[in-house]
Amino acid sequence: GQQLNQSPQSMFIQEGEDVSMNCTSSSIFNTWLWYKQDPGEGPVLLIALYKAGELTSNGRLTAQFGITRKDSFLNISASIPSDVGIYFCAGPEKNSGGSNYKLTFGKGTLLTVNP
Amino acid sequence: EAGVAQSPRYKIIEKRQSVAFWCNPISGHATLYWYQQILGQGPKLLIQFQNNGVVDDSQLPKDRFSAERLKGVDSTLKIQPAKLEDSAVYLCASSLFRASGSIGAKNIQYFGAGTRLSVL
Repeated sequence: GQQLNQSPQSMFIQEGEDVSMNCTSSSIFNTWLWYKQDPGEGPVLLIALYKAGELTSNGRLTAQFGITRKDSFLNISASIPSDVGIYFCAGPEKNSGGSNYKLTFGKGTLLTVNP
Repeated sequence: EAGVAQSPRYKIIEKRQSVAFWCNPISGHATLYWYQQILGQGPKLLIQFQNNGVVDDSQLPKDRFSAERLKGVDSTLKIQPAKLEDSAVYLCASSLFRASGSIGAKNIQYFGAGTRLSVL
């Protein structure tokens, strides 16, 4: 199956700093999703991207769908302590029968924000 | 709107024992997913249901894992017998529809809080 590589693996920043993380794939995606997972909780969808070159914002979060369709970026501006968590990129991959899409997730970027 | 409910939240068992997890999806969601999330990894799909039928179970270790969604609403995932490497968080998710074409607003997946399984 497709592989998603996220970087960096972890980040430790000061409150108020901006953060940038990215995700690359071994093949083309037609959708990119960014999820956040708080400790002890399930992932929550932050942003969905549907078109190459698309730039979408959700509050202090901005994500971009790369032109090559093989990468995506997530930026967080003016970080706050509640931004702590693991950020996952995900993309749809056809199942073996070709009749359905399933989500493939990256390994995540662990963000720690120091107050 | 109530979210995806999972129970128990935590389970500790010894290897070779059996364990079952329960999931109740968001009301009206036809598609239900079970994921395994090993520490330091992203979620990996184990099985996907559309109503009470299996859409994809290609990554389910069928020699020890089983899942059912008999009435097309809630679902159970069972492991029998458990191995040490089964220690993980088991996440359930649901979506309004399944993604037969591409991912869109109607097949966005919503996740439960998960069950953390420790096999000793």
